[in-house]
Formats: sequence, structure tokens, C-alpha cells
Amino acid sequence: QSVLTQPPSVSAAPGQKVTISCSGSGSTIGNNYVSWYQQVPGTAPKLLIYENNKRPSGIPDRFSGSKSGTSATLGITGLQTGDEADYYCGTWDSSLRTGVFGGGTKVTVL
Amino acid sequence: EVQVLESGGDLVQPGGSLRLSCEVSGFTLIRYAMTWVRQAPGKGLEWVSSIGDGSGDTYYADSVKGRFAISRDTSKNTLFLQMNSLRAEDTAVYYCAKGCLGRKYGIDVWGQGTTVTVSS
Repeated sequence: QSVLTQPPSVSAAPGQKVTISCSGSGSTIGNNYVSWYQQVPGTAPKLLIYENNKRPSGIPDRFSGSKSGTSATLGITGLQTGDEADYYCGTWDSSLRTGVFGGGTKVTVL
Repeated sequence: EVQVLESGGDLVQPGGSLRLSCEVSGFTLIRYAMTWVRQAPGKGLEWVSSIGDGSGDTYYADSVKGRFAISRDTSKNTLFLQMNSLRAEDTAVYYCAKGCLGRKYGIDVWGQGTTVTVSS
């Protein structure tokens, strides 16, 4: 059972939009920055979003992040087959003094 | 170019020990927090341990506390993870990564991973 809760899977047709939720608590998301990671099976994770809603250089603006209270959301617009991957949210637990990841969400392009 | 490169993964018997290394390049190790993340076969990402920048405070997941130790050699720009009393459930790909969850920039650089298998 992950400290951060994500839906196991989401899917949509090419060109459509998906959103992935990440639910935490006051000691996790409520008190720390959230980052998002994309992992294509068999490869290392890659940073998609940092500081809740900022994109590193090279990440297209089809990817967006937001945070409100104890929840965060990753949005992907203009869905492409290359976006098929597992997506993880991550943050810190200020009470436990540990890092935490969500359980991951598999994105499928129909 | 900023890079991290893990090594040291191996097949080890339950109860055994292993030390993972992570050689970094393109940045100065002491100036950044560093993190170890693992992924068991078919499972999600699991945060294992982090070491802070500067004085190097250390943090551990409950699942490894007392068995694993994170450290660094700043003269060699190398991060380590000493793993003792290994269990079957420690079997995973271990990623070395630059940064720390919850901080402004998150974990921004990942290695390719090194595989640890604990089995008799």
C-alpha cells in the first residue's frame, strides 16, 4: 500500500487528454514539492514535472502538473503512442522523514 | 553532461552483503542530495535512501533501516549503498539518482540501474 494513491491505469485515444491523480496527506503533498516521473518498461525513470508544475528542458508542454492541498495531478494532452508508459508521483513525508512514491499509473493509448 | 553510473549489482545469498557504487560526473557530489530507488520485478518504484547535500544527513526506508547504509566519497565523486543482511525481498533493480523527493527540483538525473538478486 503506497503512501501516495494513484489510479492503476488510465487510457484514451490518440490526440485525447488524460489526467492522473495523486492523493496524499498534510505531511506529504500538503507540505512538500511534488514531482512526476515517466518510466517506459525496461528503462530508467525520467523526470517529467518538478516543483509541482514545472517542466524540465526538453519535456513538451503537452505535459502539465498541478497541486492543490494534499493532491496533485498530471495532465497529458494530445496523447501519442510514445506516451505509453508508467507514471509515478513522488514527494517527501515530513513526519516519517522518508521519500514516497505513488503506486504508479499505466497509461495506455487506445 | 551530468551523469550517474551504478555498479556492483550481483547474485547474493540470503543474509549476505553487497556494496553498490554510483560514480557521478558533470557535477560536484557534495553540493547535491542523492537518492537510491529500487524496483522489484514487476513492481513500482520504491524509495530506499537519501543523503543530503553539505553535511550529508541520511534517511532510510523502514524496510532497509538498520541493514543498509548510504555514504559518499566526495574525493572520488562516488555514492555508495552498503547492503547487509540481504533478504529475498531486496531483489530489485537499484537506481542511483541525483536529487531528493520533495525538494524543489525532485530527482532530475537517473542512472540506468544495477540488478541485485538475493537467492540461494
